[in-house]
Amino acid sequence: DIVMTQSPDSLAVSLGERATINCKCSRSVLSSSTNKNYLAWYQQKPGQPPKVLIYWASTRESGVPDRFSGSGSGTDFTLTISSLQAEDVSVYYCQQYYSTPITFGQGTRLEIK
Amino acid sequence: QLQLVESGGGVVQPGRSLRLSCAASGFTFNTSAMHWVRQAPGKGLEWVALIPFDGTNEYYADSVKGRFTISRDNSKNTLFLQMNSVRVDDTAMYYCARALGDFALNSWFDPWGQGTLVTVSS
Repeated sequence: DIVMTQSPDSLAVSLGERATINCKCSRSVLSSSTNKNYLAWYQQKPGQPPKVLIYWASTRESGVPDRFSGSGSGTDFTLTISSLQAEDVSVYYCQQYYSTPITFGQGTRLEIK
Repeated sequence: QLQLVESGGGVVQPGRSLRLSCAASGFTFNTSAMHWVRQAPGKGLEWVALIPFDGTNEYYADSVKGRFTISRDNSKNTLFLQMNSVRVDDTAMYYCARALGDFALNSWFDPWGQGTLVTVSS
């Protein structure tokens, strides 16, 4: 199984500042045949199901604000919120879909400082 | 709009069975692979099972293999999860989600339903 490790577990950032969440995979999720990274990011607000923000490591889902961006390749990935808004308070998860079983990171709780 | 609505959750005793349903609307269900994902109270996300669009080749997490069965009825746009021999550690919110991506096995999840809560307790 591919183990996904996020850091930090929790993060407090001031409004308008940048938030960065990291995700490390125990082995590469970059496919040599497609040259795509099989990694997605989700946002989960309290009492709600997760919502996809990013897939293919850096493709923003339609309707997701452009302050959210994904980067990285192979085993190391980053979700960046360029200017934190109050509505961004959530738990964020990374997910690999390179191999079965599909696995998630443990989650990163993002709060306002 | 795209919608997934789960039902069938509740309180069940260890060792008993429960059947979850997920009604889909707003997209072409019979061409979409579907997943079940669960989340224990206060915990992270755990993938449970996957079924391709045509119902062949089911896939399961090791934690539920041999106890849970995923199935679908494309004529009714409905996904199912039959949960047998349930255990206390099966207690979770169970979400159904559509698979997106190149192949069913290599997919992310969108959209998700609101979930149905399963509590296993004596």
